[in-house]
Amino acid sequence: EADIYQTPRYLVIGTGKKITLECSQTMGHDKMYWYQQDPGMELHLIHYSYGVNSTEKGDLSSESTVSRIRTEHFPLTLESARPSHTSQYLCASSAGTGGIFFGQGTRLTVV
Amino acid sequence: QKEVEQNSGPLSVPEGAIASLNCTYSDRVSQSFFWYRQYSGKSPELIMSIYSNGDKEDGRFTAQLNKASQYVSLLIRDSQPSDSATYLCAGANFGNEKLTFGTGTRLTIIP
Repeated sequence: EADIYQTPRYLVIGTGKKITLECSQTMGHDKMYWYQQDPGMELHLIHYSYGVNSTEKGDLSSESTVSRIRTEHFPLTLESARPSHTSQYLCASSAGTGGIFFGQGTRLTVV
Repeated sequence: QKEVEQNSGPLSVPEGAIASLNCTYSDRVSQSFFWYRQYSGKSPELIMSIYSNGDKEDGRFTAQLNKASQYVSLLIRDSQPSDSATYLCAGANFGNEKLTFGTGTRLTIIP
């Protein structure tokens, strides 16, 4: 089981604020992912990374950006939050072909 | 055609019975498949992986892969109320770089 941590767990923030969602894993996994999921809806991949200094956009267009400066850290940033960004953001990591492991998620509400 | 498709349900099964969840996939998905369980408000949890044609058993769970028909299924024997959750089917792309998830099937076990 992967140890993957997301902070904060819950965030309520005003429109126009810059926010960074943190994600760290202690398993040394090369691959990391960000998914977005609205309540009762499907998962959408928004960003992924194969390793340090490697980032790719996912299948769902997102106004967020990511960085991968260290293997264990994969933060997601929204430069100017809007109510349409309200959602749950799930970070995940993988060693390769054995499936991916999710953190507990960050539930973001933009008011 | 979506890469991974599931019946959205909901599916209701009496306690103690066998719950059967099904998933079909397209040619764009490789033959590595995963089943995740997601409780309401929680993040997905990996419960089964299957790579080879046939059955794979783990406790009360059996995953089945039929490559000729391009479907993968999950059987839950002796269903318990704690099995009530949304079950997500996922397939890896051919580079095994990322997973594509189905929309999930909501399962309710009736005591």
